[in-house]
Parts: sequence; structure tokens; C-alpha cells
Amino acid sequence: AQRVTQPEKLLSVFKGAPVELKCNYSYSGSPELFWYVQYSRQRLQLLLRHISRESIKGFTADLNKGETSFHLKKPFAQEEDSAMYYCALKGGGAQKLVFGQGTRLTINP
Amino acid sequence: GAVVSQHPSWVICKSGTSVKIECRSLDFQATTMFWYRQFPKQSLMLMATSNEGSKATYEQGVEKDKFLINHASLTLSTLTVTSAHPEDSSFYICSAAGDTDTQYFGPGTRLTVL
Repeated sequence: AQRVTQPEKLLSVFKGAPVELKCNYSYSGSPELFWYVQYSRQRLQLLLRHISRESIKGFTADLNKGETSFHLKKPFAQEEDSAMYYCALKGGGAQKLVFGQGTRLTINP
Repeated sequence: GAVVSQHPSWVICKSGTSVKIECRSLDFQATTMFWYRQFPKQSLMLMATSNEGSKATYEQGVEKDKFLINHASLTLSTLTVTSAHPEDSSFYICSAAGDTDTQYFGPGTRLTVL
């Protein structure tokens, strides 16, 4: 079965501090992993996907197949990063996404 | 580009009535559309996947006769909640994917059944 776990419901860090949002997955094949973000009163939008290996808004995420993790990291948090972050998995050629429970990130000034 | 709209943004209805929610891809052709349900402070749960011109594929536990999905064109999918009851009250979100298979999400529709 496909499963995505985000162990932290809430995460609060100070501006300028490093931030890491954890994501672990369960899938027997080769998954595609994504991070989606939802800012206050806005729709869900794609932040980054592992196959792109890019940095968006200073965020990066590396797929670690050994640890089945796809943690989202940013070295210096900014206040505008406060949002709800969802990790998601797509596997087996299927189109559908399986979402984690989400982590609400709050950046304190 | 890649904008998805939903209509209405919120709706209140009486128990036993049916409610239709529209999902439109405004600037691209969506070969596949997805319908999710989100309860307060919870994650998105996929209800069904629909491909244009064919029957929707429902996730386990989702009643296909209660949640009717139609994807008649490459830019429009509808979700009809039939004989709605208070437990159907939720936030319904659609997403659409075209050639790139990236899902673009609508703003959601809040349904309240009295």
C-alpha cells in the first residue's frame, strides 16, 4: 500500500533559522515524490518534485530511498514561508497522488 | 497559465437535496481530473479519478451512486452529491492534469448540508 507520513502537524521556527519538514513514505516500487504548499486563503500548489531536482523559493528536497524519506529543507526561513505543506507520492504509473497529513509551518519574526 | 476554477466556492443545502459542483480548466485541456475531499484539519483524500469521455474510477469506500462524476469535455468535470446529508458536509477540491501530468488544483468548494 502507498502511504505518506508527515510526523509533525505543527512546526514553528524563527526567521533566519533552518527549517526541515519531514516526510516518510511507504511504497514497494519506485515512487515520484512531491511537495505541495498551501498559503493562507490560497489553493494548493506544487512546490517541487523530486525528479526535477531543483530549488524553489530556496527549498530543496532529496529522495532517500534507503530511508524512504523526502524531507523538505530550507537553510534560512522567511516569514512568507508560513503555510501548510503537504508531501505527496505517485507510484506505479498511476496518475493519482497520495497525500500526507500536512505540516503547518509558522515562521516567527 | 494552468488555472483551475471551481463553482460554487461555497454552498449550503438542505438534507436530501442534490448539489452539483463544477471544475473547469481555464487555459489548458485536462485529460484527467481528480476529486478530493478534505475534512477540517485533515489531509486531502482522493475520491475519484475521471478521464474525459469515460467513467470515473472511484477510490475504495467512495459510493459512486452518491458522488456522481461527469467529465464530458476536456475542460469541465462535475461532481454531484446526491441526496446530501450532514455527514457529506466537507471541503471538496478538484485538480486537473493535462499533457504534463502535473496536477493543478482548484480553490475548493465548501459544502454545508443542514
